[in-house]
Amino acid sequence: QQQVKQSPQSLIVQKGGISIINCAYENTAFDYFPWYQQFPGKGPALLIAIRPDVSEKKEGRFTISFNKSAKQFSLHIMDSQPGDSATYFCAASYRNRDDKIIFGKGTRLHILP
Amino acid sequence: DVKVTQSSRYLVKRTGEKVFLECVQDMDHENMFWYRQDPGLGLRLIYFSYDVKMKEKGDIPEGYSVSREKKERFSLILESASTNQTSMYLCASSEYTANYGYTFGSGTRLTVV
Repeated sequence: QQQVKQSPQSLIVQKGGISIINCAYENTAFDYFPWYQQFPGKGPALLIAIRPDVSEKKEGRFTISFNKSAKQFSLHIMDSQPGDSATYFCAASYRNRDDKIIFGKGTRLHILP
Repeated sequence: DVKVTQSSRYLVKRTGEKVFLECVQDMDHENMFWYRQDPGLGLRLIYFSYDVKMKEKGDIPEGYSVSREKKERFSLILESASTNQTSMYLCASSEYTANYGYTFGSGTRLTVV
């Protein structure tokens, strides 16, 4: 079954540290890899996304690293802040008409003040 | 600001009741989705729709049905609510291709007693 595997399930990081969440996928037909951020009581919101033609994308303190040959991608949060405490979902989707996004199971991140 | 609006934030229903969860989007999106979110299980797709009056089963459709009579509205129906359907329900929408991401609503927390 096609899926996206995400780790760790939960993560605690000191304020100012680097938070790293990893994901692996199976299907090489995936061509879009978004990350979603969900705060308590809210729905997930698109945070940052990457396509497989680049190895890295950075937006502020958030960076996606992409390794096409290993079929892995990761989210790095630099200088982590208490306001970054949330659940993060990695995901992948196809280039064809099958428009479902396949989500990882999520990582609950807690940044210690 | 574009939105996906879920009609109820919290619902408490009795076992055996027929339950309607409503979702409306104002972005003229073609695709709409219903997910349920449970701790440790991530986001699980219940049903989705590519167009008015069209519906497709997701990964866990048992015990649910959907209705999409208008482009902007997608309803999730629990035919006979059971306690194992207590969950957070999230509606999402996307353009023709999901490669531009989903927009989620804030969720409906349903408790079946």
